[in-house]
Amino acid sequence: DGGITQSPKYLFRKEGQNVTLSCEQNLNHDAMYWYRQDPGQGLRLIYYSQIVNDFQKGDIAEGYSVSREKKESFPLTVTSAQKNPTAFYLCASSIVSPILYGYTFGSGTRLTVV
Amino acid sequence: AQSVAQPEDQVNVAEGNPLTVKCTYSVSGNPYLFWYVQYPNRGLQFLLKYITGDNLVKGSYGFEAEFNKSQTSFHLKKPSALVSDSALYFCAVRDMRNFNKFYFGSGTKLNVKP
Repeated sequence: DGGITQSPKYLFRKEGQNVTLSCEQNLNHDAMYWYRQDPGQGLRLIYYSQIVNDFQKGDIAEGYSVSREKKESFPLTVTSAQKNPTAFYLCASSIVSPILYGYTFGSGTRLTVV
Repeated sequence: AQSVAQPEDQVNVAEGNPLTVKCTYSVSGNPYLFWYVQYPNRGLQFLLKYITGDNLVKGSYGFEAEFNKSQTSFHLKKPSALVSDSALYFCAVRDMRNFNKFYFGSGTKLNVKP
């Protein structure tokens, strides 16, 4: 079955650590996205990528980094510069015309700072 | 600036009764509007979209949404609620300058009681 796989499902980070969240898709979608979800705030865009080796900052990119070395993969690194990283992180993908098809979302990674 | 608002944090309805989840939007020009549903600890699932045409849009699981340009609203509706409809619902609007970006509402928790 085609879809998006996010791993791990739960992740714990110590203060000052960098952690990387994995996102893989086998839908042959060109575009991939990372969103952060906090209670009562909806989803906020962190980074997105339309093609391999290219990505753009979203609305809350500070403290995060991404790479897009393969079409199928779009990992997100939460760096120690992100002061409040505890949240639910969602990866999504789409063909390059999402106005027609919308997004396909992964099941999310819940990150907790301990 | 583009945005959507979901004025209700929570909606409670009895099984078998009609349900409405409200969404209002603010965009310049014609909006592209979406509804998504999220079950606990899962990603978002696409329900329906409005691009153009008939103001009543039908989607998955018996849901429909009514686009009202004069009231700038896009309310989600279902004639007869099921307990299994209990979930978090998000309205989203496409960024008119960058179709790779969507603005999501803060979400509405729907509780359907038996």
